[in-house]
Amino acid sequence: QSALTQPASVSGSPGQSITISCTGTSSDVGSYNLVSWYQQHPGKAPKLMIYEVSKRPSGVSNRFSGSKSGNTASLTISGLQAEDEADYYCCSYAGSSHVVFGGGTKLTVL
Amino acid sequence: QVQLQESGPGLVKPSQTLSLTCTVSGGSISSGSYYWSWIRQPAGKGLEWIGRIYTSGSTNYNPSLKSRVTISVDTSKNQFSLKLSSVTAADTAVYYCAVSYSGWYVFDYWGQGTLVTVSS
Repeated sequence: QSALTQPASVSGSPGQSITISCTGTSSDVGSYNLVSWYQQHPGKAPKLMIYEVSKRPSGVSNRFSGSKSGNTASLTISGLQAEDEADYYCCSYAGSSHVVFGGGTKLTVL
Repeated sequence: QVQLQESGPGLVKPSQTLSLTCTVSGGSISSGSYYWSWIRQPAGKGLEWIGRIYTSGSTNYNPSLKSRVTISVDTSKNQFSLKLSSVTAADTAVYYCAVSYSGWYVFDYWGQGTLVTVSS
């Protein structure tokens, strides 16, 4: 059960859009539309931002969107804001009642 | 909105058993079809799912930790607990408890986390 692969870091300027990828395998991301994304600010607990690939929980800005193609899921943040600077983690159902997380991506707002 | 709070020793000796409790407030742990999970995060590293328990008491564990993990629920105290045996320094991490409403594979709300250090 290997961790999903995410870029270590991404960056963007305020107002721009960025996309964070999350690559798994045909046993996890590729087989299920059960990918979620979490935002974590330093010293804080993770916060659910996207679930089931593209659904947003109540209260999460519509600047956050999710998608999936094959074995790769993506999180897009549009209209980048300073408060979006955080670590982002993807998570996927991996079969047999297990889940696997990605290694995390540090987003820097320039 | 339910709130979760982890508690337990911050320091555990190698080879001993790590024991943590998550206290649920703002709702009953036994109401609804919810899942209660433990997740950990070593300093500067990513998240690792440890396991979960359903309201009925059924459990599932991360295969890499399964032989050492036990998760249980105490509905009378509105708590669920984690026990991790034979710990080593590699088990040093911030441990989070979380609840799943949107599907057991989704962690809707998290506790603030508690740091557990394994050291003699």
